[in-house]
Amino acid sequence: DIQMTQSPSSLSASIGDRVTITCRANQSISSSLNWYRQKPGKAPELLIYAASNLQSGVPSRFSGSGSGTDFSLTISSLQPEDFAGYYCQESYSPRYTFGQGTNLEIK
Amino acid sequence: EVQLVESGGGLVQRGGSLRLSCEASGFTFSTFSLNWVRQAPGKGLEWISYISSSRRSTIYYADSVKGRFTISRDNAKNSLYLELSSLRDEDSAVYYCAREVFGSGTYAMDVWGPGTTVSVSS
Repeated sequence: DIQMTQSPSSLSASIGDRVTITCRANQSISSSLNWYRQKPGKAPELLIYAASNLQSGVPSRFSGSGSGTDFSLTISSLQPEDFAGYYCQESYSPRYTFGQGTNLEIK
Repeated sequence: EVQLVESGGGLVQRGGSLRLSCEASGFTFSTFSLNWVRQAPGKGLEWISYISSSRRSTIYYADSVKGRFTISRDNAKNSLYLELSSLRDEDSAVYYCAREVFGSGTYAMDVWGPGTTVSVSS
């Protein structure tokens, strides 16, 4: 089974900061990696697909990179709505796996 | 507007059964594959089941629900279902349905419903 390890599990930052979240797979998954944001009490929303492609309607402050086993999500300038949970998800295997999540909090 | 809306959640006894529904609107339902994803209170996201768009549906389950949960769809009703049986305490969660799309060589879940809550009581 594919295991996804996301770090950090929590992160404190300020509005306007640049932050990076990483995700590592226990085997190569090519570029089959997606990122989601989940605001409190809401459903997840797709931010980045195929490692580096910005989903339509998502602000350009979000970017993704990586391939193989190591991936990252960067938010260039944090906005109030970005203080939320973030999850990576592999779509390489038919039974998808999410990372354990990163909780981004206001410092 | 493209939309998914889940229903059918509630309080159920341990060992009991429940049927969740997900009604779609705003897109051609029959042409999309669909997933169920759940989130236990205070925990992360867990993918639990997939059904393809094809007439001879391909179906997958997570090991944690295989043999207890059954996914199905009715394209005529624009609806996705999840039958839950032999429910355990650890099945208490918010259950989301999500549409799957293919782009740049991989799959992603681009539209999600607001979720329906299942609580298993002893």
